[in-house]
Amino acid sequence: GAVVSQHPSWVICKSGTSVKIECRSLDFQATTMFWYRQFPKQSLMLMATSNEGSKATYEQGVEKDKFLINHASLTLSTLTVTSAHPEDSSFYICSARDQGVNYGYTFGSGTRLTVV
Amino acid sequence: QKEVEQNSGPLSVPEGAIASLNCTYSDRVSQSFFWYRQYSGKSPELIMSIYSNGDKEDGRFTAQLNKASQYVSLLIRDSQPSDSATYLCAVSTETGGYNKLIFGAGTRLAVHP
Repeated sequence: GAVVSQHPSWVICKSGTSVKIECRSLDFQATTMFWYRQFPKQSLMLMATSNEGSKATYEQGVEKDKFLINHASLTLSTLTVTSAHPEDSSFYICSARDQGVNYGYTFGSGTRLTVV
Repeated sequence: QKEVEQNSGPLSVPEGAIASLNCTYSDRVSQSFFWYRQYSGKSPELIMSIYSNGDKEDGRFTAQLNKASQYVSLLIRDSQPSDSATYLCAVSTETGGYNKLIFGAGTRLAVHP
């Protein structure tokens, strides 16, 4: 089945620094990947849609200059949280859509970001 | 109005009973519907997908879709304590030429022995 690998699984960084999170589709090509954020006891909120070879599409209220997305190949998308602050601490999850039989969305294992 | 709505719960059922989870959505042109299970601290895992009206069964799980009523549900038969988790309803909607997956807030299910 479709597998999405996400790294790192957790990261602690100092306030003001930047953190990069990688999302890879291991056994399929993903022209589109999605980045979600989830705060404790809340649902997944779509941040942006990452499109291979073009600019990402951000949801309303998400700062594109703060959350930089790069989708340089059909199997890799990265999310960089720039100048991180404690309020950016959250669970970040990527997803890619398998264009196979089930057309399902497969999720990475998530990245727990803590900004101190 | 939220795009995808679920009762947050918790829904508490005894072991062996049927758990019924409900979801409504606002976008009439939505085409694909999914149920995900999420354990605390983990990412969601796909349980069921459904695309056409009616019922779809997979083991102990049955998804039901009614597009006229904009309603989708998940039944879990013979509930087990290991089924205790948050169940997320998700709807795929086409916007600007591409599809995106929107989640409901999730329903917490607690199955007690």
